[in-house]
Amino acid sequence: GAVVSQHPSRVICKSGTSVKIECRSLDFQATTMFWYRQFPKQSLMLMATSNEGSKATYEQGVEKDKFLINHASLTLSTLTVTSAHPEDSSFYICSAGLAGRNNEQFFGPGTRLTVL
Amino acid sequence: AQSVTQLGSHVSVSEGALVLLRCNYSSSVPPYLFWYVQYPNQGLQLLLKYTTGATLVKGINGFEAEFKKSETSFHLTKPSAHMSDAAEYFCAVTATGNQFYFGTGTSLTVIP
Repeated sequence: GAVVSQHPSRVICKSGTSVKIECRSLDFQATTMFWYRQFPKQSLMLMATSNEGSKATYEQGVEKDKFLINHASLTLSTLTVTSAHPEDSSFYICSAGLAGRNNEQFFGPGTRLTVL
Repeated sequence: AQSVTQLGSHVSVSEGALVLLRCNYSSSVPPYLFWYVQYPNQGLQLLLKYTTGATLVKGINGFEAEFKKSETSFHLTKPSAHMSDAAEYFCAVTATGNQFYFGTGTSLTVIP
């Protein structure tokens, strides 16, 4: 149980285009989902916390207009990288919390974004 | 506020040798502590977690960790390393379950 999926697993796009990444909780409802960014050989950095039905809370330094987060249902959150540039190339990982599981987060497999 | 320090960004051990990955944390409230493993181009997989109760926690793949409040540590160990243990390991702390703070990671290499 408590499986989180991400789609796509890999995406390559041209500079200036927008890319949408989906994060789904497959077998549970997640009122809160989290988006992380990971640069090569580095740790995960929290970008934003996504709450179902409300606006996401962004961490300091994360551009909310560039990284649009939508959490329209209890099982789906999306991250849209708008007008992507090469410096946005990274590994994006989402996670979801499950009530009653002692503050544990369940992580998706990640999405590798490459902007040419 | 919480933070995590992982000493040693790279650790190499021989196959069959003891694995010790260090994690020290800082927390103003009782912490929840986690160890995750990440294989190349994959997400994080939970190895083990400490929430409350027994301070020696056993996880998957023969790993275990001990919560030592007096030392603010949560070191990860495995008695005998296997080639398949080669991966990146992350220690994380949270107080609320919303804000997870990750260490910078330790890359484990297992030498045959």
